[in-house]
Amino acid sequence: GDSVTQMEGPVTLSEEAFLTINCTYTATGYPSLFWYVQYPGEGLQLLLKATKADDKGSNKGFEATYRKETTSFHLEKGSVQVSDSAVYFCALSDYSGAGSYQLTFGKGTKLSVIP
Amino acid sequence: DTGVSQDPRHKITKRGQNVTFRCDPISEHNRLYWYRQTLGQGPEFLTYFQNEAQLEKSRLLSDRFSAERPKGSFSTLEIQRTEQGDSAMYLCASRPRGDTGELFFGEGSRLTVL
Repeated sequence: GDSVTQMEGPVTLSEEAFLTINCTYTATGYPSLFWYVQYPGEGLQLLLKATKADDKGSNKGFEATYRKETTSFHLEKGSVQVSDSAVYFCALSDYSGAGSYQLTFGKGTKLSVIP
Repeated sequence: DTGVSQDPRHKITKRGQNVTFRCDPISEHNRLYWYRQTLGQGPEFLTYFQNEAQLEKSRLLSDRFSAERPKGSFSTLEIQRTEQGDSAMYLCASRPRGDTGELFFGEGSRLTVL
């Protein structure tokens, strides 16, 4: 079945540092890829997405590129802020065979940014 | 607020009791999903509705769990004879007709079984 593997945390960075969170996937179909973010005390929010190979998703200074050849979708940000402290989830959406495009999530990576 | 809403936000119960969670999806979304999230893990799929029809159920959804969406609008997730292993965050999400991408999540209902 489909699966997502992402870099284990927690990750602690100083403000303005460069961030990379690695994500690789296994899928039987041709999935769409997502990064979701969960801020403390809040629900999951979509951060960015990419629907086909070589697409780059971007939002709030974060970027990720859909790499089919390496089955990867690594999240990057050039300069993190304290407000970026959250848990980040990589996910894929693929047809389940029962009429549903389910999201399959990685385990999440907790990011703490210190001033 | 026109997002996905869940109620209650937090439920503490004793082992063996029944609990029910409610989800109100975004009004124009005909697809509704339940996920479960335990500490340190990503959300795991439980079940999926298209309108009022429950089209898919995960192996995680034991016979103590039942979900309904009677009129194709709100949904309920009931857990009977709760066990300590049921302690988790139960997430509801919805998606519009014809869309295969983003799911819109509620803030979740946290269950603690003592």
